[in-house]
Amino acid sequence: GAGVSQSPSNKVTEKGKDVELRCDPISGHTALYWYRQRLGQGLEFLIYFQGNSAPDKSGLPSDRFSAERTGESVSTLTIQRTQQEDSAVYLCASSFKPLLNTEAFFGQGTRLTVV
Amino acid sequence: AQRVTQPEKLLSVFKGAPVELKCNYSYSGSPELFWYVQYSRQRLQLLLRHISRESIKGFTADLNKGETSFHLKKPFAQEEDSAMYYCALHIYNQGGKLIFGQGTELSVKP
Repeated sequence: GAGVSQSPSNKVTEKGKDVELRCDPISGHTALYWYRQRLGQGLEFLIYFQGNSAPDKSGLPSDRFSAERTGESVSTLTIQRTQQEDSAVYLCASSFKPLLNTEAFFGQGTRLTVV
Repeated sequence: AQRVTQPEKLLSVFKGAPVELKCNYSYSGSPELFWYVQYSRQRLQLLLRHISRESIKGFTADLNKGETSFHLKKPFAQEEDSAMYYCALHIYNQGGKLIFGQGTELSVKP
C-alpha cells in the first residue's frame, strides 16, 4: 500500500488479556515509531526502531509493553495483561533513514479499549 | 532531557484573527523542528519544517534558538485551520528519535 497501515483499527479487550497491534510501514522506510495518544492528551513516545540498530525503548511505560520489528518490515506492539489505563489510540509512523529534514508518515492508529 | 512544550491545550479565535501557537523545546544539540497537524478524522501529517523556511497554508514558523522557541503563526485564521497542532523535535544525535509536544487544539470560529 501507499501509506502506513495499522491493524486492527479498533480493539476491545478484557482487562488482563494480552493484545497485539500491527504496523506495516511504507516500503523502504528504515525508521519506525510507536506512540500512544490517550484521550485529550498528546503523543507519548513509546519505542523507535532504526534499521538494524538496537531499538530505543525508553518510552515504554512498563514491562507489560514490548515491540518487535523484523528487519525493515512489519512491527508488532504487544501489551500483556492489559489494564484500563492502557486504553488509548496507538499510532505508528515510519520514515526514511532519519537524516536531516525527514518527514514521518503516520498510520490511522489502533483504538484500544480495555473493559 | 529533551522536551517539547506546548503551553496551550486549546486556542480559540475568530475567523480572520491572527493565530500564534506556542512551542518551546529543550535540547542541547542543534535542533530540527517540525509542526504536524491532525484534522478531524484524518491522519497526523506534516505541516512544515523549520529547515525549509516555508509557508504552508499561510502558516510560518521561525526557529529562535535564543528563546528555544518554534512558534507557529498565521496572520488571518480560517475555519478550515481548526485542528490539533503538534510541535515535534527530531533528536538527530540519538539515531533520529522524534518527540512531540502535548498538542494544541485550534478552534477557529466563524
